[in-house]
Amino acid sequence: DIVVTQSPLSLSVTPGEPASISCRSSQSLLHSSGYYYLDWYLQKPGQSPQLLIYLASNRASGVPDRFSGSGSGTDFTLRISRVEAEDAGVYYCMQTLQTRTFGQGTKVEIK
Amino acid sequence: QVQLQESGPGLVKPSETLFLTCTVSGGSIGGYYWSWVRRPPGKGLEWIGYIYYSGNTNYNPSLQSRLTILVETSKNQFSLKLTSVTAEDTATYYCARLNRVAPVSNYYYHSMDVWGQGTTVTVSS
Repeated sequence: DIVVTQSPLSLSVTPGEPASISCRSSQSLLHSSGYYYLDWYLQKPGQSPQLLIYLASNRASGVPDRFSGSGSGTDFTLRISRVEAEDAGVYYCMQTLQTRTFGQGTKVEIK
Repeated sequence: QVQLQESGPGLVKPSETLFLTCTVSGGSIGGYYWSWVRRPPGKGLEWIGYIYYSGNTNYNPSLQSRLTILVETSKNQFSLKLTSVTAEDTATYYCARLNRVAPVSNYYYHSMDVWGQGTTVTVSS
């Protein structure tokens, strides 16, 4: 089974400042198609999760361009260029190469 | 636009069977994959499994022996059946649509783009 590990597990960020979350998998998420099979989701307080990024670096429809995903092999990063108050919540990466596995989640608090 | 709504009992006794239904409105269940995800209190998200509208399934290996996901296209619903529940199954359960978000080789990559609001299930005697 592929294990996915996020860090940090919590993050406190000042509005306007950047933030980044790391996601590491126990094996490469490179698919035979050449794409990396990793999604990022955000669960805001009191809400259902929402898709942010798919295939490691593609923003989902309606997601602000301050969010970006990058990475390769086993190491991936979600970056927020300038954090806003509405970005608070728990961020999850999820590998989709073999069935699906979420990371533990990273709680982002806005100062 | 497509909306999903989970329904089912809020309380289930240990060793009994949990049955949840997700009703799809504003669109057809046909042509898509449909999934279940849960979040235990104080913990992170756990992927449970998914079903294609034709009935093909893919389950979390850790739940596979107790899990069945069914689809009823005539009712535009899909369901989760989890047997022999324990306190570890206490969670908020979400249903979600797996949609084609990008072409990849000769098929499509799917991500969960529409979610239900979630339903809380407590396993307790």
